[in-house]
Amino acid sequence: ETGVTQSPTHLIKTRGQQVTLRCSSQSGHNTVSWYQQALGQGPQFIFQYYREEENGRGNFPPRFSGLQFPNYSSELNVNALELDDSALYLCASSAGRLNTEAFFGQGTRLTVV
Amino acid sequence: GQQVMQIPQYQHVQEGEDFTTYCNSSTTLSNIQWYKQRPGGHPVFLIQLVKSGEVKKQKRLTFQFGEAKKNSSLHITATQTTDVGTYFCAVPTGGFKTIFGAGTRLFVKA
Repeated sequence: ETGVTQSPTHLIKTRGQQVTLRCSSQSGHNTVSWYQQALGQGPQFIFQYYREEENGRGNFPPRFSGLQFPNYSSELNVNALELDDSALYLCASSAGRLNTEAFFGQGTRLTVV
Repeated sequence: GQQVMQIPQYQHVQEGEDFTTYCNSSTTLSNIQWYKQRPGGHPVFLIQLVKSGEVKKQKRLTFQFGEAKKNSSLHITATQTTDVGTYFCAVPTGGFKTIFGAGTRLFVKA
């Protein structure tokens, strides 16, 4: 086990709704990155949080937003859900914001209907 | 923008055969990481390569970073059923972003 936990593990939402996914980072890690993984694809970088600030963002629209808390846990919020948002959402924590070893959580499987 | 291509997309091998996956970048890389994702699981870090021409071994796994730091390979000797999964390379880009390859899915027949 990596020590990175995500909740919930599965979620079904209706198109147009909003969703919040949560991630607890590994002890001692101050950086959290979020990824979207569609079926059969590689993880796509959404954004990274370092010491409570976003410091890197992939090609995702503004309706994807996030937060990092003082204890370095994090949330991913997605507004106005679309069918294409159905995917596995992965959180990864690391000890620094540069490209260091990342420890992934088990993911949240989001289905938008 | 920076792209990373991984080949092959998938490979079927008989247990005991060797397996290799390749990762190619359009730009010179500062480093490259490899991850393994078992079916239904999450990516698990395997290794990070930093130096030009670097070769690292982990038991039956051999990782190589090209001299030009634009490509990398992962070779598994004598595959076992426990090697089943998808192998991803991951590379850093500007602004603290990370790009994952599409992955190579390995099937091992006992």
